[in-house]
Amino acid sequence: GESVGLHLPTLSVQEGDNSIINCAYSNSASDYFIWYKQESGKGPQFIIDIRSNMDKRQGQRVTVLLNKTVKHLSLQIAATQPGDSAVYFCAENGNAGNMLTFGGGTRLMVKP
Amino acid sequence: EAQVTQNPRYLITVTGKKLTVTCSQNMNHEYMSWYRQDPGLGLRQIYYSMNVEVTDKGDVPEGYKVSRKEKRNFPLILESPSPNQTSLYFCASSFGRGANYGYTFGSGTRLTVV
Repeated sequence: GESVGLHLPTLSVQEGDNSIINCAYSNSASDYFIWYKQESGKGPQFIIDIRSNMDKRQGQRVTVLLNKTVKHLSLQIAATQPGDSAVYFCAENGNAGNMLTFGGGTRLMVKP
Repeated sequence: EAQVTQNPRYLITVTGKKLTVTCSQNMNHEYMSWYRQDPGLGLRQIYYSMNVEVTDKGDVPEGYKVSRKEKRNFPLILESPSPNQTSLYFCASSFGRGANYGYTFGSGTRLTVV
């Protein structure tokens, strides 16, 4: 598959454990944030989003937490599965409305 | 199936030989964009388009051209490719103003310029 980054931070977890992936964003004016998952050989896929008027949003097995005070975003994955192995990116809109700015990504490896 | 389709998936070319990477979406999205992805540099935006006949530069537009003659298509053109344009390219589309709704990405085009 395609390599998306040779020097990404890596999180290694045991199957069934919970995973927490963190992201520090840069623009205090950003009001929309997204987490993407990128599997080898594929394009990024939308996982979950959150707007700045919320501090928590839950999906199926995933939760995003937003701390605007310290400009921090996290993605929690419950009961991590081998299929969750991928690179995860956070993105912010910078309140510009025209483009998303992506973080560098974190590689999640799930051990069976 | 709602999707963004890029072609080709893989391309090897020589320096200076013009090429076009096509992108098409079937979701009637107004907003389309091209990104390149490089190790250690993440995803960087090349160009985007808010609607037909409206295009704007992103963070790394040098060496690239785009056009938006129809809503569904947004080709990326490299008039004179150079080795520093070897990269993984993604097309993306979105409803509305793009950055407020999230993107749908294509599967990527791996370009190698020798």
